[in-house]
Amino acid sequence: EVQLLESGGGLVQPGGSLRLSCAASGFTFSSFAMSWVRQAPGKGLEWVSSISGSGGSTYYTDSVKGRFTISRDSSKNTLYLQMNSLRAEDTALYYCAKCKPGAPLRWAFDIWGHGTMVTVSS
Amino acid sequence: EIVLTQSPGTLSLSPGERATLSCRASQSVSSSYLAWYQQKPGQAPRLLIYGASSRATDIPDRFSGSGSGTDFTLTISRLEPEDFAVYYCQQYGSSPKTFGQGTKVEIK
Repeated sequence: EVQLLESGGGLVQPGGSLRLSCAASGFTFSSFAMSWVRQAPGKGLEWVSSISGSGGSTYYTDSVKGRFTISRDSSKNTLYLQMNSLRAEDTALYYCAKCKPGAPLRWAFDIWGHGTMVTVSS
Repeated sequence: EIVLTQSPGTLSLSPGERATLSCRASQSVSSSYLAWYQQKPGQAPRLLIYGASSRATDIPDRFSGSGSGTDFTLTISRLEPEDFAVYYCQQYGSSPKTFGQGTKVEIK
């Protein structure tokens, strides 16, 4: 069974850092691009970042560029999101998502984890 | 950035009825890179439709997608009790990938 399990969320002060992890199982992790998508409480979905299957290409939404870093470790079947300089507006449930095969960055999200909550507050 | 506007905001229907959800893009979505997701309370989104009209794995055939360019539609032919949820469209043809604000399908 294909599964994604996020961890690492929590309460952090503005300006602080957090690293999210997403453990993947049930598929050949290195063959698929992966993404992070977030959802603020009571709000809609927002794409945050994506990474190619090889890890050689990374993409970010403008609001997190320079603050967040996506990476992956195929030996551990794990996706990461390093979040620095956190702001109140980063407060959200962060989902890890597997990308359907396609042209670079032309990916829909076919498998989602259950999410990990990040709260940025003093 | 492509802005997606979904309508209506809320759709009140009875089980067995047909649901028609609209997603309009601020500019043309290249190669119909348009997806639809279903989200139930407390759950992660689930991919229903990709490429504007292709059903994802294990999605019942009562769900269908259509459209091209700037106008897309998700149709649920006969609503089942488990179909009452929020539905989001998403374009993934250009960066940043963007989502619509969602349409809630509620029981009338």
